Amino acid sequence: TQLLEQSPQFLSIQEGENLTVYCNSSSVFSSLQWYRQEPGEGPVLLVTVVTGGEVKKLKRLTFQFGDARKDSSLHITAAQPGDTGLYLCAGRTLNDYKLSFGAGTTVTVRA
Amino acid sequence: KAGVTQTPRYLIKTRGQQVTLSCSPISGHRSVSWYQQTPGQGLQFLFEYFSETQRNKGNFPGRFSGRQFSNSRSEMNVSTLELGDSALYLCASSLEGSNSPLHFGNGTRLTVT
Repeated sequence: TQLLEQSPQFLSIQEGENLTVYCNSSSVFSSLQWYRQEPGEGPVLLVTVVTGGEVKKLKRLTFQFGDARKDSSLHITAAQPGDTGLYLCAGRTLNDYKLSFGAGTTVTVRA
Repeated sequence: KAGVTQTPRYLIKTRGQQVTLSCSPISGHRSVSWYQQTPGQGLQFLFEYFSETQRNKGNFPGRFSGRQFSNSRSEMNVSTLELGDSALYLCASSLEGSNSPLHFGNGTRLTVT
């Protein structure tokens, strides 16, 4: 079982629509990161959240860290085809040094 | 600033062989981590090296090993290859490890036949 559960696994939407990707765990994380990976490339860091309840905005992307630091969400407003990719959440628990990844959400934005 | 470079990009090996993958981190980065990515398991942590020492290790068999050189470049070796080792192997570098952001290379696609 994954330490971080992402949902949904796949998401296909029309350009201009909004979408939300979820990342949940029963463990508490000292920090949580979101990455986007495009075919043939490695993941690229989008954001790091460290404080419970924290909300960060990156243009049309809004990231939220849960109050209890066990979950996070990524919301994209007015999605564009360039937002297509595999979205990965990753976090470090309080007791483990290594960065653990969720299985990812594959987002497809149709023009 | 050059990014993380992984070589080769693609490899095809047969069962029982061994393979060595290479990773050159971003200049100034002292931590190098390796991950295995497969469709079924996602990204699984292999190990992390910092200043030529293995600092953390994932749950992979001893056939998977690595090392880091004094210039922070890292190599990963897989011996006695199995079909299940087919995957994208990603290397990531960071300044210190810990909470420093990871910068990934584009990976080496290993196919074992």
